[in-house]
Amino acid sequence: KQEVTQIPAALSVPEGENLVLNCSFTDSAIYNLQWFRQDPGKGLTSLLLIQSSQREQTSGRLNASLDKSSGRSTLYIAASQPGDSATYLCATNTDKLIFGTGTRLQVFP
Amino acid sequence: KAGVTQTPRYLIKTRGQQVTLSCSPISGHRSVSWYQQTPGQGLQFLFEYFSETQRNKGNFPGRFSGRQFSNSRSEMNVSTLELGDSALYLCASSLLGYLDEKLFFGSGTQLSVL
Repeated sequence: KQEVTQIPAALSVPEGENLVLNCSFTDSAIYNLQWFRQDPGKGLTSLLLIQSSQREQTSGRLNASLDKSSGRSTLYIAASQPGDSATYLCATNTDKLIFGTGTRLQVFP
Repeated sequence: KAGVTQTPRYLIKTRGQQVTLSCSPISGHRSVSWYQQTPGQGLQFLFEYFSETQRNKGNFPGRFSGRQFSNSRSEMNVSTLELGDSALYLCASSLLGYLDEKLFFGSGTQLSVL
């Protein structure tokens, strides 16, 4: 049974810092891995999707990497801004999405 | 282009009642999936519908059911509500439901069971 864990559970940083959020999973037989953002009381916004054959994906200040053999993915946020404050969720995809526990990020001015 | 719309936004029910939640996908999207989010269990997949047929189902009791109409709108129903059913229920839509498609989520329905 796939288990997805995210570390740290919460993170508070000053504006401008570069961040790394971690995601680990137990079953490497995945089709892809996705990163989402969730603002309080809202739904999820898709950030990046990495296919199982890919090593990384980039979108603006976001870069996500995938290492299937070690069961790990990282989300790198460059030059963080207060608007990045949200909960970040990773999810592995086999025939359905299995979500991690999330990292609550606060970026203060 | 309108996003995914979920109604109602908030709902309060008592134990033993039943509830129906609605989800209107983005125009042209034919796949709708449902998720339950709680502080204790996190986000969990409920089921996915495509062209009025349930294609996949998560590990939830039979009290949780859903359906999809010919216009791709979907409803989920929870019967005999329990306190533990209190959660944010999210739906997501995609064009065809392929695994590499981007999902678009609604803002959710917050259900409180008293």
